[in-house]
Amino acid sequence: NAGVTQTPKFQVLKTGQSMTLQCAQDMNHNSMYWYRQDPGMGLRLIYYSASEGTTDKGEVPNGYNVSRLNKREFSLRLESAAPSQTSVYFCASSEGVGGRNQPQHFGDGTRLSIL
Amino acid sequence: SQKIEQNSEALNIQEGKTATLTCNYTNYSPAYLQWYRQDPGRGPVFLLLIRENEKEKRKERLKVTFDTTLKQSLFHITASQPADSATYLCALVLSNSGYALNFGKGTSLLVTP
Repeated sequence: NAGVTQTPKFQVLKTGQSMTLQCAQDMNHNSMYWYRQDPGMGLRLIYYSASEGTTDKGEVPNGYNVSRLNKREFSLRLESAAPSQTSVYFCASSEGVGGRNQPQHFGDGTRLSIL
Repeated sequence: SQKIEQNSEALNIQEGKTATLTCNYTNYSPAYLQWYRQDPGRGPVFLLLIRENEKEKRKERLKVTFDTTLKQSLFHITASQPADSATYLCALVLSNSGYALNFGKGTSLLVTP
């Protein structure tokens, strides 16, 4: 049982380049999330998808776009990478039904450096 | 704004002792609070969820308390082991963001033999 799978695990980009971070879950979860984690800042929500077909902005959406491709997959795109987007990116999923007491399941992250 | 505060200083304890980590929050009236563990280079892993009316919850060597009056949760690890060394995060549901979570910055725990 893989849980939440993120690809790639590491990536180095030059300023202005674009890339897409991939995330897939095999738990039949309805809700999916993208967070970034920076030293001293903790985890911050970039975008979320409460259910298939919907996406919404989180705390720090600027410079990012997302696509909920289907129930399993939720991708994060950087259209024009900036050094401020150097971070560790985590994808997570939860059942998304039954109220707000659902735990989240995280992938192991994508470590992104932008030069 | 909604804030979650955890002790930013690392907690160093000796094996076998009880570790106690603190999570304080402001501008929240949460019905649930969650605790996660994060190891270096890995994503957070869910440990425990406690409801506002539960006051205390246990899972093996872990115990969580939840005081909505003090706006505080305490996370205890009894008979600590070196394998318990990790960063521990508390989390509350982020307002107006589906079921997304707002995380504290975490407290690093180091258990030495």
